[in-house]
Amino acid sequence: DTGVSQDPRHKITKRGQNVTFRCDPISEHNRLYWYRQTLGQGPEFLTYFQNEAQLEKSRLLSDRFSAERPKGSFSTLEIQRTEQGDSAMYLCASSFPGIGNTIYFGEGSWLTVV
Amino acid sequence: QQQVKQSPQSLIVQKGGISIINCAYENTAFDYFPWYQQFPGKGPALLIAIRPDVSEKKEGRFTISFNKSAKQFSLHIMDSQPGDSATYFCAARPYTGGFKTIFGAGTRLFVKA
Repeated sequence: DTGVSQDPRHKITKRGQNVTFRCDPISEHNRLYWYRQTLGQGPEFLTYFQNEAQLEKSRLLSDRFSAERPKGSFSTLEIQRTEQGDSAMYLCASSFPGIGNTIYFGEGSWLTVV
Repeated sequence: QQQVKQSPQSLIVQKGGISIINCAYENTAFDYFPWYQQFPGKGPALLIAIRPDVSEKKEGRFTISFNKSAKQFSLHIMDSQPGDSATYFCAARPYTGGFKTIFGAGTRLFVKA
């Protein structure tokens, strides 16, 4: 399968703990995005990479959130000192510059903070 | 500020009927409008997309209608099937030079058998 891969798919953590999610984009895609989705809402943009460069971060991405894409391939999203409000599905997507620059999503990583 | 407004929030349609979901946008820099379909527990999947240089695009049972002057676009699902039951999101993005796709809040569609 050559789609966007995310790991883990589900994570339950205690408030205050750190969590890290990994995303492997479609191999020829040089653009990678992180979105967050809560129940009943559409995905909300968090951050965007072109190759290894992080080009934009949303105001939704507080100082407790950090994303990296060290070699321009896979990416990680770390949440430090998790809060209950961080409970959501974290979606990774990738795209290739071209017609429409359509983004393709992975299946998401569900985070529950208890 | 919600840049893409989607309605209705939920929709129930009989099998074989037409499902219609509407969206409106504000930012005139948007000129690429995809629709995504999402099943429970899955990520959104691209369904169909349109640029505003055409007023309509059809792929199988799915049609996008676009009204540039009104800044509105809609998804029509013809001959709706129970397997179409999902959440549908409209979205918008600048076609070139932009990267941030903005999503509507979603429409939960249920097709009754």
